[in-house]
Amino acid sequence: GAVVSQHPSWVICKSGTSVKIECRSLDFQATTMFWYRQFPKQSLMLMATSNEGSKATYEQGVEKDKFLINHASLTLSTLTVTSAHPEDSSFYICSARSSGYSYEQYFGPGTRLTVT
Amino acid sequence: GEDVEQSLFLSVREGDSSVINCTYTDSSSTYLYWYKQEPGAGLQLLTYIFSNMDMKQDQRLTVLLNKKDKHLSLRIADTQTGDSAIYFCAESVSGNTPLVFGKGTRLSVIA
Repeated sequence: GAVVSQHPSWVICKSGTSVKIECRSLDFQATTMFWYRQFPKQSLMLMATSNEGSKATYEQGVEKDKFLINHASLTLSTLTVTSAHPEDSSFYICSARSSGYSYEQYFGPGTRLTVT
Repeated sequence: GEDVEQSLFLSVREGDSSVINCTYTDSSSTYLYWYKQEPGAGLQLLTYIFSNMDMKQDQRLTVLLNKKDKHLSLRIADTQTGDSAIYFCAESVSGNTPLVFGKGTRLSVIA
């Protein structure tokens, strides 16, 4: 099946700093990528939809200036958490939808962010 | 709005069949998915079914869809300890819309 990678797999940062998380589709092109956030023992909450070459669409309640998304190519989307706070600590998961079979959505392994 | 409901826990003995149930509210859901998440990992796409299908079988996995009742189930035959994980049901209206997830069912397999 299609492979989606995320980097880093985990990161610890201090309050006030920024952290960038990369999401890559390794063996397929993805015109659309999604960013989710998952709290412990809870479901995935969609944060934003990222389309290659255009601005991301953010879900209600998600601060676009805090969670910067860039989808620079058909295989790479980045999420930057700016001025991180402890409440931003979470598991962030990206997914990519194949351009060929748009109904199949593949997930990355996730990035665990801890803000101290 | 859209909503997907699942029971939170299921415990089965090794070798038995597991049935995980899911209900959804959006009658325009076109694609329905089952994902598996192991501890600390991302989501693995197990299988999916289109709304014009009633059943799909893939090795040990059988998906049943009752579109009238908006009910989806995942049956795992001969459940193994390696099947212990959280299983998420998800739906989307079209190929370009994001998925709406249930809260996940934690499957525990007892040896």
